[in-house]
Amino acid sequence: SYVLTQPPSVSVAPGQTARITCGGNNIGSKSVHWYQQKPGQAPVLVVYDDSDRPSGIPERFSGSNSGNTATLTISRVEAGDEADYYCQVWDSSSDHSHVVFGGGTKLTVL
Amino acid sequence: EVQLVESGGGLVKPGGSLRLSCAASGFTFSSYSMNWVRQAPGKGLEWVSSISSSSSYIYYADSVKGRFTISRDNAKNSLYLQMNSLRAEDTAVYYCARAPGGGPGWFDPWGQGTLVTVSS
Repeated sequence: SYVLTQPPSVSVAPGQTARITCGGNNIGSKSVHWYQQKPGQAPVLVVYDDSDRPSGIPERFSGSNSGNTATLTISRVEAGDEADYYCQVWDSSSDHSHVVFGGGTKLTVL
Repeated sequence: EVQLVESGGGLVKPGGSLRLSCAASGFTFSSYSMNWVRQAPGKGLEWVSSISSSSSYIYYADSVKGRFTISRDNAKNSLYLQMNSLRAEDTAVYYCARAPGGGPGWFDPWGQGTLVTVSS
């Protein structure tokens, strides 16, 4: 089955840029979606189809996807960005189709 | 406002059954694929099941296939998850989520979740 690999944690100072990676075999051929989840809350979509932003999501959130790695970039990080972030794809390459989530990355704002 | 509200969670013994519901409002429910995603305490997100707008396409995670059944009633704007033969490892918050992209795609929005606890 398809596996998405995320670093368990990323730390960044306020005002700096955070990059959260999501690794998968030839993930560049798939559409990658990203979610933000704060403690005690439901996940919120922040990037879909590799690099599109839903309405209401700040331009500071952007995404890219190529080769074996997709990346969520958060520019000018704020304290309120501290959360868990998950990548997700739809894998239809095997004999049955599944939604796959990465293990999640905890973003800490120093 | 698009809203999803889950209900039906609770405490159940191993081997027992539970039926979750998700009430949708603020959008044309019958036009969207819907999904269930769960999150065990302190763990990451795990996809459970997806159903297309007309129920023609249904998918399950291997961990629940044969035990869980997803369904929907477009006339009642409701999504369901029938869970049988429950195990301790099914303990989680269960979220329903809309898939706006025309297939399993991405999930937006999510409900607030309902907690299922499987314990003797």
